[in-house]
Amino acid sequence: KQEVTQIPAALSVPEGENLVLNCSFTDSAIYNLQWFRQDPGKGLTSLLLIQSSQREQTSGRLNASLDKSSGRSTLYIAASQPGDSATYLCAVPGAGSYQLTFGKGTKLSVIP
Amino acid sequence: DAGVIQSPRHEVTEMGQEVTLRCKPISGHDYLFWYRQTMMRGLELLIYFNNNVPIDDSGMPEDRFSAKMPNASFSTLKIQPSEPRDSAVYFCASTPSGSSPKPTFTDTQYFGPGTRLTVL
Repeated sequence: KQEVTQIPAALSVPEGENLVLNCSFTDSAIYNLQWFRQDPGKGLTSLLLIQSSQREQTSGRLNASLDKSSGRSTLYIAASQPGDSATYLCAVPGAGSYQLTFGKGTKLSVIP
Repeated sequence: DAGVIQSPRHEVTEMGQEVTLRCKPISGHDYLFWYRQTMMRGLELLIYFNNNVPIDDSGMPEDRFSAKMPNASFSTLKIQPSEPRDSAVYFCASTPSGSSPKPTFTDTQYFGPGTRLTVL
């Protein structure tokens, strides 16, 4: 059974700092890995989706990397802003299905 | 596009009552998912549909939970009778299957805003 772990559970940084969020998964036979953002009281918004054949994806100040062999992914946020404050979740699909397994997330607070 | 629509946004009910949560997926999306989020267990998939047909309901906690999708634009998740441990945020999500006969996993799932359920 796939298990997804995110460390740390919470992170507080001053505005402008670069930061890295970590995600690890136990079964490396994945088709892709996704990073989502969740704001309080709202649903999830997809940030980046990395296919298994890719090593990284970039969108603006965000860069996600994937190392299937080690079962790890990182989300790098450059020049953090207070608006980046949210919970970030990573998720992987099961083999041959759309069933996503989510980590419990990292709650990020960017202090002005 | 309005995105995935869920109603109600908040529901407070008493133990033993029936609860019905509603979802309208994004037009053209043929996969629909129901998730439950709690502090203890995080986000868990309950059931998902493809072309209105339930594909995997192994995440449904017990017989008190049931889900239907009578047409491509509407789905319900029903809890009867409700219990305090059912208190959670319930999310609906949808995704298109793409042009390939098999899922290509290139599309993300689009989530609704969720329904916060409190069972007293």
